[in-house]
Amino acid sequence: DAKTTQPNSMESNEEEPVHLPCNHSTISGTDYIHWYRQLPSQGPEYVIHGLTSNVNNRMASLAIAEDRKSSTLILHRATLRDAAVYYCILRAYSSNTGKLIFGQGTTLQVKP
Amino acid sequence: EPEVTQTPSHQVTQMGQEVILRCVPISNHLYFYWYRQILGQKVEFLVSFYNNEISEKSEIFDDQFSVERPDGSNFTLKIRSTKLEDSAMYFCASSEVGTTDTQYFGPGTRLTVL
Repeated sequence: DAKTTQPNSMESNEEEPVHLPCNHSTISGTDYIHWYRQLPSQGPEYVIHGLTSNVNNRMASLAIAEDRKSSTLILHRATLRDAAVYYCILRAYSSNTGKLIFGQGTTLQVKP
Repeated sequence: EPEVTQTPSHQVTQMGQEVILRCVPISNHLYFYWYRQILGQKVEFLVSFYNNEISEKSEIFDDQFSVERPDGSNFTLKIRSTKLEDSAMYFCASSEVGTTDTQYFGPGTRLTVL
């Protein structure tokens, strides 16, 4: 499975945008880029995913580099509730089991 | 909104005892998973289950572990003889149709082995 690299931690101020980077230089053409997050003392939670084009949903936006070797999760206005560990995960389109491989992720702190 | 539920929220057991962790996946989902997270470490995949059989298991999922879907709603993880190192949060997840679908996680069961 292709590997991703994320900063260990980031800080943001409440109501400001946050850009969480992810490097995945060995991504293959059929790998989807997924983001999950884990709020304190909770199970992981899906955030967003994409293949090539930028994606938006009610939680966040995903910007994917043209060469797909990196991506950025964008939280447009961070709230205290967004403090969590954010995981960037590659999932092969042809996967026959669906397992998610979590790295250490980025711990996001949001300051009031 | 439908959600995955897990019981109990916290289980304390003695080393060598059997434990069964229970999960109720979202009702129309077909793929089921167990993950664990040792305190302070990353979330680790244990096993995936589809069509009443294991589709993949990790190295962690040895002969001490088993999974079952005993009826149409529950999905269980059994640890036959618990060890101290089995102490962790155990998360159940389910997805609707395909293996690349979004996985929905439960709140977890904290297992403490004494």
